[in-house]
Amino acid sequence: DAGVTQSPTHLIKTRGQQVTLRCSPKSGHDTVSWYQQALGQGPQFIFQYYEEEERQRGNFPDRFSGHQFPNYSSELNVNALLLGDSALYLCASSWGPGLSFTDTQYFGPGTRLTVL
Amino acid sequence: ELKVEQNPLFLSMQEGKNYTIYCNYSTTSDRLYWYRQDPGKSLESLFVLLSNGAVKQEGRLMASLDTKARLSTLHITAAVHDLSATYFCAVDYITQGGSEKLVFGKGTKLTVNP
Repeated sequence: DAGVTQSPTHLIKTRGQQVTLRCSPKSGHDTVSWYQQALGQGPQFIFQYYEEEERQRGNFPDRFSGHQFPNYSSELNVNALLLGDSALYLCASSWGPGLSFTDTQYFGPGTRLTVL
Repeated sequence: ELKVEQNPLFLSMQEGKNYTIYCNYSTTSDRLYWYRQDPGKSLESLFVLLSNGAVKQEGRLMASLDTKARLSTLHITAAVHDLSATYFCAVDYITQGGSEKLVFGKGTKLTVNP
C-alpha cells in the first residue's frame, strides 16, 4: 500500500517564477492538506482540499493556489516566487469530509523548494 | 489567533534518563497531535489526543492532554539514542470565521547521548 507521494523531491527556481508541486494521497484517503515548513520551524497550514474544492485556508496570500483532481491527487501552485517561499512543502492526506483531523494525517516526504 | 508554544526547544539528555516536553496553547481546543520528524524526513504521527484527560503510550513515550490547562506533555522514559529527533505538537483550531486548521509548535529538538 503506497503511502503519500510527492513530486518533485527537490526544486530550484528564481524569484518571480511559478512552481507546481504534486501530491498523491494514501490509498483510501480523499482529503489533501498542504503545509509549508521553513527551516527550523514547525509546518504552517496552507489549505485543504476535499471533493475537488478548497475547504480550509491558512494565512497565505493568493499567490498560493491549489487544485484537487477526481482521483484525489492534488497540486499546489505558487506564483511570483519570493525568496521567502523557500521551504519544505508537505502534503498530508486523511479521510472524510471537511477537516479530518480526528484521524491521523499521513504526511508525504515533502518537496524542498529553493528560490534564488 | 492560536499560539502553540513548546518547551524546551532544544533538549540534550543522557540515555536512560527521563524527561518531559511541554506544549502550551492559547485558545480552547479539544484535539492535539504529536509528531516526530527525523532530519531531512517528513512527519510521523505519534499520538492523537481527542479529549480532556486523554493519555496515550507507545514504547518509551507517553502523551497526555489537559484541555482546561491548555497543556499537553510528552514524557520520555529511559531515553535511548533512537529517540533523537524533533518532536512537534499541533493543535486543531477553529477560527472565528469557522474555518479549521492545524497549528504547529516550533518543535523540540531532542538529542539523546550515550
